[in-house]
Amino acid sequence: DAKTTQPPSMDCAEGRAANLPCNHSTISGNEYVYWYRQIHSQGPQYIIHGLKNNETNEMASLIITEDRKSSTLILPHATLRDTAVYYCIVRDPQGGSEKLVFGKGTKLTVNP
Amino acid sequence: DTEVTQTPKHLVMGMTNKKSLKCEQHMGHRAMYWYKQKAKKPPELMFVYSYEKLSINESVPSRFSPECPNSSLLNLHLHALQPEDSALYLCASSQNRVYRYDTEAFFGQGTRLTVV
Repeated sequence: DAKTTQPPSMDCAEGRAANLPCNHSTISGNEYVYWYRQIHSQGPQYIIHGLKNNETNEMASLIITEDRKSSTLILPHATLRDTAVYYCIVRDPQGGSEKLVFGKGTKLTVNP
Repeated sequence: DTEVTQTPKHLVMGMTNKKSLKCEQHMGHRAMYWYKQKAKKPPELMFVYSYEKLSINESVPSRFSPECPNSSLLNLHLHALQPEDSALYLCASSQNRVYRYDTEAFFGQGTRLTVV
């Protein structure tokens, strides 16, 4: 079962920062937080992941709270092409095969 | 090359047909996955292969039969499907945890399956 809670939908104005929250209050010490997105009718696309520290790459920033019970994905300058469903996933890469379980995600709509 | 290639992109099959979906990657990944996605729902994990061995079967009906003939190829054989099996079927791959603890998965664009 998915271990994360996300708002079902959000809107953002083009050019503004999009901040997508995720609650993962039962996260354990070995579990990473991953973010993927899925643009309509395409395969999911990896965005970013982290364990404890904040992370940044060319696509986004990931802010993880100190207690690790929640995180925020930040798209600094959203464009229309960022309209997609964003999935926050917690995953323990140790012990057995990799298992990536998707929750319901947040449908982000970027408006002109 | 960070691509996972799925063929065909679209497939229409009758309930008595036998067909196969194919997935290929050349990233040296040793974990490969099949997901099923219905409209407006998140992807649901079906199978996981690790080092060409089936490691996870999420209680998938036997009319879906996975096969991993080598480390680059993953097949999903379909037989006697029902109309409710119509969905987007996604393949993914990732480095096995043995090499890295925090690897990401790469997804193909999926096969849109319609059962008539």
